[in-house]
Amino acid sequence: AQSVAQPEDQVNVAEGNPLTVKCTYSVSGNPYLFWYVQYPNRGLQFLLKYITGDNLVKGSYGFEAEFNKSQTSFHLKKPSALVSDSALYFCAVSLNTGTASKLTFGTGTRLQVTL
Amino acid sequence: DAGVIQSPRHEVTEMGQEVTLRCKPISGHDYLFWYRQTMMRGLELLIYFNNNVPIDDSGMPEDRFSAKMPNASFSTLKIQPSEPRDSAVYFCASSPRFGTDTQYFGPGTRLTVL
Repeated sequence: AQSVAQPEDQVNVAEGNPLTVKCTYSVSGNPYLFWYVQYPNRGLQFLLKYITGDNLVKGSYGFEAEFNKSQTSFHLKKPSALVSDSALYFCAVSLNTGTASKLTFGTGTRLQVTL
Repeated sequence: DAGVIQSPRHEVTEMGQEVTLRCKPISGHDYLFWYRQTMMRGLELLIYFNNNVPIDDSGMPEDRFSAKMPNASFSTLKIQPSEPRDSAVYFCASSPRFGTDTQYFGPGTRLTVL
């Protein structure tokens, strides 16, 4: 079975400060890892993904995430937060087996960026 | 491309009524997914299709739920009869392939069952 844990229900950060949204995963094999963002009353939007290769992945809106296999983590980061980054962030994992595998989402972390 | 289209955006119905949610995936995408989002359970995968064929419906909560994909450009999720605990936001998503590919989500249908 595969699972994702987002240990923080909410993260608060001041605009201009760096932000980190944590994600750890559990799969029996090599993972595909994703971050999605959800703004109020909207569907989920893709931010970035790790498939293979460089452990540091850069995505939309200045976000990046680092794949750490030893710690089974895929934390989302941004050097300088904006108020407009305030949203609900989901980490997701699927299993890299070469065949169909479901995407399992975490419970989400609400990011609140204040002036 | 217009993205994934869902209708209606909001649905309010009474317990016992039939509810049909509709989805038009992005053209050329072979995979279609139905998800349900609630505060209590988060985002749950209900069912997904590959080339119009249901592959895994293990997430469908019970027999009251059914989903079809009669062609590559249309899918429905039906609840009959509906119950208050079905109140949630239902998302449809599509992707070109599985595994590595991004899923593109529709705006969702907010269902309220009174």
